[in-house]
Amino acid sequence: EAEVAQSPRYKITEKSQAVAFWCDPISGHATLYWYRQILGQGPELLVQFQDESVVDDSQLPKDRFSAERLKGVDSTLKIQPAELGDSAMYLCASRSYNPDTQYFGPGTRLTVL
Amino acid sequence: KNEVEQSPQNLTAQEGEFITINCSYSVGISALHWLQQHPGGGIVSLFMLSSGKKKHGRLIATINIQEKHSSLHITASHPRDSAVYICAVKADKLIFGTGTRLQVFP
Repeated sequence: EAEVAQSPRYKITEKSQAVAFWCDPISGHATLYWYRQILGQGPELLVQFQDESVVDDSQLPKDRFSAERLKGVDSTLKIQPAELGDSAMYLCASRSYNPDTQYFGPGTRLTVL
Repeated sequence: KNEVEQSPQNLTAQEGEFITINCSYSVGISALHWLQQHPGGGIVSLFMLSSGKKKHGRLIATINIQEKHSSLHITASHPRDSAVYICAVKADKLIFGTGTRLQVFP
């Protein structure tokens, strides 16, 4: 069964460093999402892509976060510089339209020291 | 006030018990998802509902659109059901509840 792939699974970094996360959605899924989930809370949408275009990045802290999906397939989320409050699980999901549902990757757990 | 509220926040049960998790929302939606998140972070979609009731194995999900309320039931609960259960509603985007942490003890 096809899955959403993410790497790395775990990342520990010091504040002010740069980090990058990678996501490979299920083949053929044009819509890709990046979510941030702080411990004890539900996921929060950071950015939504339709193919290579950003359709919603209203909740993305653009001073330090960036996301790209250059060829409309895999995607990278970057944080520079990382801050202590960025410690969270970063989840990637891709969307199927039939049935209409999102498939989540295993996430990248970021710890900023 | 959150647009999606779940209750309870934490739930413990003995193996075999019947479990109910509730979700209330305050926005107009086209669908509601129940998701399961195991320790380690992976999220699995359990149900997508737009009306009525769905059943899969020991899991049953219901939704009342007029009352803006959904419930997830687990019959004959088992320790492997221990996870966080998240309700998410589809408005203009997916809005998530904060989750219900379920622990089932043998």
